[in-house]
Amino acid sequence: EIVMTQSPATLSVSPGERATLSCRASQSISNNLAWHQQRPGQAPRLLIFGASTRATGIPARFSGSGSGTEFTLTISSLQSEDFAVYYCQQYNSWPPVTFGQGTKVEIK
Amino acid sequence: QVQLQESGPGLVKPSETLSLTCTVSGGSISSYYWSWIRQPPGKGLEWIGYIYYSGSTNYNPSLKSRVTIAVDTPKNQFSLKLSSVTAADTAVYYCAGGPTVALIFAWGQGTLVTVSS
Repeated sequence: EIVMTQSPATLSVSPGERATLSCRASQSISNNLAWHQQRPGQAPRLLIFGASTRATGIPARFSGSGSGTEFTLTISSLQSEDFAVYYCQQYNSWPPVTFGQGTKVEIK
Repeated sequence: QVQLQESGPGLVKPSETLSLTCTVSGGSISSYYWSWIRQPPGKGLEWIGYIYYSGSTNYNPSLKSRVTIAVDTPKNQFSLKLSSVTAADTAVYYCAGGPTVALIFAWGQGTLVTVSS
């Protein structure tokens, strides 16, 4: 099973600032990585797939990078609606499909 | 745009079988691979398994002995059965779908299932 490890667990950021979230895979997953956003009380939604491709309707302030075992999600200028929990997910080797434990982005 | 909606009992007794259905709208059930994913209260996401419209399935090894996922193509639905449930199975259950196995493009809104007597 591929273990996904996200850091930090919680990120405190002021509106308008940049946020950088990390995700590490326990073995290489090429670029088969997705990022999902989960706002409080809501279902997750896909932000990024293929490590760096934004899903339909996702603003350009969200960007993803990385390959192999190290990945990053960057939010260039945080808006109020971006305060949420972010999960990385690998879809390279399954079963099982695995998710990171999540990074909570909170208002500083 | 594909939309998904979970339905089923919100309360299940210990040792019984949890049964949920996901209805797909806005697209054909043959267009995607369909998954079930769960999230215990306050915790992270756990993939349960997937099915393709052909009936091909694959399950999380940690749950495999208790899980059955099935598809009903004429109704544009797929379902989850989880047997011998315990309190540890209390979670929000999501159905989801995507263009390849394990790549999730769309999520249902989720349904809370509580296991309690």
